[in-house]
Amino acid sequence: DQQVKQNSPSLSVQEGRISILNCDYTNSMFDYFLWYKKYPAEGPTFLISISSIKDKNEDGRFTVFLNKSAKHLSLHIVPSQPGDSAVYFCAASLSNAGGTSYGKLTFGQGTILTVHP
Amino acid sequence: EAGVTQFPSHSVIEKGQTVTLRCDPISGHDNLYWYRRVMGKEIKFLLHFVKESKQDESGMPNNRFLAERTGGTYSTLKVQPAELEDSGVYFCASSHRRALNEKLFFGSGTQLSVL
Repeated sequence: DQQVKQNSPSLSVQEGRISILNCDYTNSMFDYFLWYKKYPAEGPTFLISISSIKDKNEDGRFTVFLNKSAKHLSLHIVPSQPGDSAVYFCAASLSNAGGTSYGKLTFGQGTILTVHP
Repeated sequence: EAGVTQFPSHSVIEKGQTVTLRCDPISGHDNLYWYRRVMGKEIKFLLHFVKESKQDESGMPNNRFLAERTGGTYSTLKVQPAELEDSGVYFCASSHRRALNEKLFFGSGTQLSVL
């Protein structure tokens, strides 16, 4: 049973336009969400995160939106650049009692983003 | 500061053989994790070490997989005997004790192909 799903295997966007990557989860106990970016032959690298007490977090060109009632989050990249072309993974975690978790993440399948010049 | 290092980067073996993957975490990181991505699917958690102790091994597929972290430094993941479905990319990650998820650093992975 896959608890985090990215239903779009790929997304193609023109440079300068907005990229929207979507993610759905089923476990309502998840309370921390992250997006990772992965280039070929490299490991995933952290991009942006959001706690379940928020509905939006912004970092430069990247914004993550969380809709808890719908168990849905999305990553917006504006404007998109060719260097953003990579695989994007959505991940979720359960916080421990101390408010931090210990790296046990549940990932989605990934979405391949291609940004055309 | 050196990142998480994994050896080998690629391994091709035949079904029934044994393979050992190695991970060197970032120096000083007590937490070490193994993850696996099979056939372009999701990245799945395998297990978590805190220093030399197994904190959580709930994601290990079966007893053909053995992970060790002697001395709390580098870790090895042995698959014996390997089966076709073990093919995939094995990622190692590390972090400081009680670090937030954002401070989880991944290695480049080992691409394992079982023929």
